Amino acid sequence: RKEVEQDPGPFNVPEGATVAFNCTYSNSASQSFFWYRQDCRKEPKLLMSVYSSGNEDGRFTAQLNRASQYISLLIRDSKLSDSATYLCVVLGDSNYQLIWGAGTKLIIKP
Amino acid sequence: DVKVTQSSRYLVKRTGEKVFLECVQDMDHENMFWYRQDPGLGLRLIYFSYDVKMKEKGDIPEGYSVSREKKERFSLILESASTNQTSMYLCASSVGTDTQYFGPGTRLTVL
Repeated sequence: RKEVEQDPGPFNVPEGATVAFNCTYSNSASQSFFWYRQDCRKEPKLLMSVYSSGNEDGRFTAQLNRASQYISLLIRDSKLSDSATYLCVVLGDSNYQLIWGAGTKLIIKP
Repeated sequence: DVKVTQSSRYLVKRTGEKVFLECVQDMDHENMFWYRQDPGLGLRLIYFSYDVKMKEKGDIPEGYSVSREKKERFSLILESASTNQTSMYLCASSVGTDTQYFGPGTRLTVL
């Protein structure tokens, strides 16, 4: 089993719709969680950290479910510019080492 | 503005060649990382460094070495390139466990 698993997609979603992705992780001791965004042929960039209480940044909401060991990302009122690959990231046992999911590809259609 | 630069965007080498990939950050970050990214596998950590002259193996260090002589520069070396090292190589830097900032990547093809 991979340490961090994501549905690779692609998710094809009409503009304006709401879309959600889940990501599962295997290490129950993990303490820090992140969502990064990677545009086609570009480098990953931090989208948001995921806190235990859940957090929201504009149209984006991230939630953590420790009991079931998954994190989620919800995008409301999706825009064409949201088309990208979304990478789920979990801090590993080392304080420096991040464990990366393979990413979920999102395509927003007009 | 945060900046991580990598020496080449695209590189083509032959099997057996020694390859140097360089990464420079201007944010005075202690930590620097080298990853490779392959379709369906996500980012895999090759090596990281948390201080000058310090290095730690990541998940897939075989066939690679690194050098960090100055805080701002972290080099990845392929001692004898092989075709299975064809990949996208991404360098990143960070402060502690905070956000990792990435360079634009080097797409290496080994023939």
